[in-house]
Amino acid sequence: GENVEQHPSTLSVQEGDSAVIKCTYSDSASNYFPWYKQELGKGPQLIIDIRSNVGEKKDQRIAVTLNKTAKHFSLHITETQPEDSAVYFCAAENTGNQFYFGTGTSLTVIP
Amino acid sequence: EPEVTQTPSHQVTQMGQEVILRCVPISNHLYFYWYRQILGQKVEFLVSFYNNEISEKSEIFDDQFSVERPDGSNFTLKIRSTKLEDSAMYFCASRRQGAGNGYTFGSGTRLTVV
Repeated sequence: GENVEQHPSTLSVQEGDSAVIKCTYSDSASNYFPWYKQELGKGPQLIIDIRSNVGEKKDQRIAVTLNKTAKHFSLHITETQPEDSAVYFCAAENTGNQFYFGTGTSLTVIP
Repeated sequence: EPEVTQTPSHQVTQMGQEVILRCVPISNHLYFYWYRQILGQKVEFLVSFYNNEISEKSEIFDDQFSVERPDGSNFTLKIRSTKLEDSAMYFCASRRQGAGNGYTFGSGTRLTVV
């Protein structure tokens, strides 16, 4: 099956700086890669996703890049704000009907 | 914005007891899922449900687990005889379309087995 690795597990940045979270996956058949943000006491919320036919996607301060050859994808948050503090999960979906999640990155934005 | 609703938010149960976790997916969604997250660990897939039947399940989803969509709106996860290791956050999710689309997750039910 698919195996998704995520790094780092914790990340602290100063407000206004950028944050980058990286994930790798093992199954070359995986073709959909969503990113979820989980705030304390809430369920994961989809913030951005990318499909395998695209190399990069941007939505305001958030961008995701995908390198299919290397089997890795990254989340980039620019101009970070305190409200970006949360746990972020990457996931990969292969030809099956389930997501394989990374272990999560706890992001702290220091005002 | 439409939400996936889960009840209860927290359930404490004695080991060996049956529990039913309830979910109301978004009304026009067709694909339903249960995931769980043991404290500090990955979000793990349990089961997917489409067209009134299980479409996929993981090794975790053994004979002690079952799912049901009894009335066209609720989607339930039953654990017949809970074990200590079933303690986790259980998330329900749904999506309108199949593969290649994101889920909407509920806020989760924290199950504590004592």
